[in-house]
Amino acid sequence: QVTLRESGPALVKPTQTLTLTCTFSGFSLSSNGMCVMWIRQPPGMPLEWLALIDWDGDTYYSTSLKTRLTISEDTSKNQVVLTMTNMDPVDTAAYYCARTWNYGFPDYWGQGTLVSVSS
Amino acid sequence: EIVLTQSPATLSLSPGERATLSCRASQSIGSYLAWYQQIPGQAPRLLIYDASNRATGIPARFSGSGSGTDFTLTISSLEPEDFAVYYCLQRSNWPRTFGQGTKVEIK
Repeated sequence: QVTLRESGPALVKPTQTLTLTCTFSGFSLSSNGMCVMWIRQPPGMPLEWLALIDWDGDTYYSTSLKTRLTISEDTSKNQVVLTMTNMDPVDTAAYYCARTWNYGFPDYWGQGTLVSVSS
Repeated sequence: EIVLTQSPATLSLSPGERATLSCRASQSIGSYLAWYQQIPGQAPRLLIYDASNRATGIPARFSGSGSGTDFTLTISSLEPEDFAVYYCLQRSNWPRTFGQGTKVEIK
């Protein structure tokens, strides 16, 4: 059974760095073809794709956010971490992690974690 | 970066009616398009992948078509649980991109 769960702070201040953790089970990121990605959704707004890490540790980022994002893995803990620097109120959103295979479409998603940015 | 444009923004229909949603890509993406359904407060659910393949457990009333730049999601007869927001997603190029969504609401 595949599950993913996002965790991290519910509130961060402007200019701070956000660190989110995706803890998963039911698959291994070390398996050929396996990938984990992050997607976010501001309240009432569309989904926005952020980043992906693959089984080889290769990473891919949103064009507009790539200077602020880092995605990394801790294979031993079955976790993927997303860091976003210089947070701003416009970064207030629900942040989701999701699994995909062979760079395909995400099929399993976490429930999402809401992050608010406010002083 | 590939831009996906969904239309209409809102579709007002009654249960039992047919829904036709459109997603247009700014350049050819082959068949590398998926459709997701999102109910408020929930994570998106994969409905259709690679333009026309239903994901596991998705009812047959959902169908997808298209290739290149023009894609369609059709719900043949709306059930009460189908009133939601629908997004398209492309995996042809990096970065991956979503459309801005179509809300299917009860008329």
